[in-house]
Amino acid sequence: GESVGLHLPTLSVQEGDNSIINCAYSNSASDYFIWYKQESGKGPQFIIDIRSNMDKRQGQRVTVLLNKTVKHLSLQIAATQPGDSAVYFCAERHGQNFVFGPGTRLSVLP
Amino acid sequence: DSGVTQTPKHLITATGQRVTLRCSPRSGDLSVYWYQQSLDQGLQFLIQYYNGEERAKGNILERFSAQQFPDLHSELNLSSLELGDSALYFCASSVGDRSYEQYFGPGTRLTVT
Repeated sequence: GESVGLHLPTLSVQEGDNSIINCAYSNSASDYFIWYKQESGKGPQFIIDIRSNMDKRQGQRVTVLLNKTVKHLSLQIAATQPGDSAVYFCAERHGQNFVFGPGTRLSVLP
Repeated sequence: DSGVTQTPKHLITATGQRVTLRCSPRSGDLSVYWYQQSLDQGLQFLIQYYNGEERAKGNILERFSAQQFPDLHSELNLSSLELGDSALYFCASSVGDRSYEQYFGPGTRLTVT
């Protein structure tokens, strides 16, 4: 399918290295944050979430860090694999609305 | 496969026309969300329905409307289409009203010519 966000920032990492994808969110009142992965031609896929009363949450090979002081969210992927190549979006929730970041394209080099 | 289905996969239509996009949520999910994804605006939340009732509204234009039927499938109606409405339209579903783990469908690609 057509590529989404042809001019997205791109992060290139070597297979096996750790990846860190960053996101700045806009609203200090946002109470919930989500990371999604979107592969080419597919819909976004939930990866991991974190509530605003937490600083860190770990999943399988992924960790999300939340710094409310500077309104910053990061996604760490351990031992990056070729299958991790995709566009990654952060989303914040305030009220009933979800606001998505522009996305970062992760490219895994062999 | 997320379990969310969307039809059609592709839709090509002319400016000024009206189209209907359809979504069937995962079995057991009561909430349906609609999103628009375009190259210049990214992914934008449009509207949420829960068990047939509108729950939340995002950046949905007045030319667009949606509904959720008793069998929980949902339709997004887009009217007076403009070139700028060309985008991917995603539907997502979740179990509850405030369930944040949403499962996305494969999307409908709308091209307005």
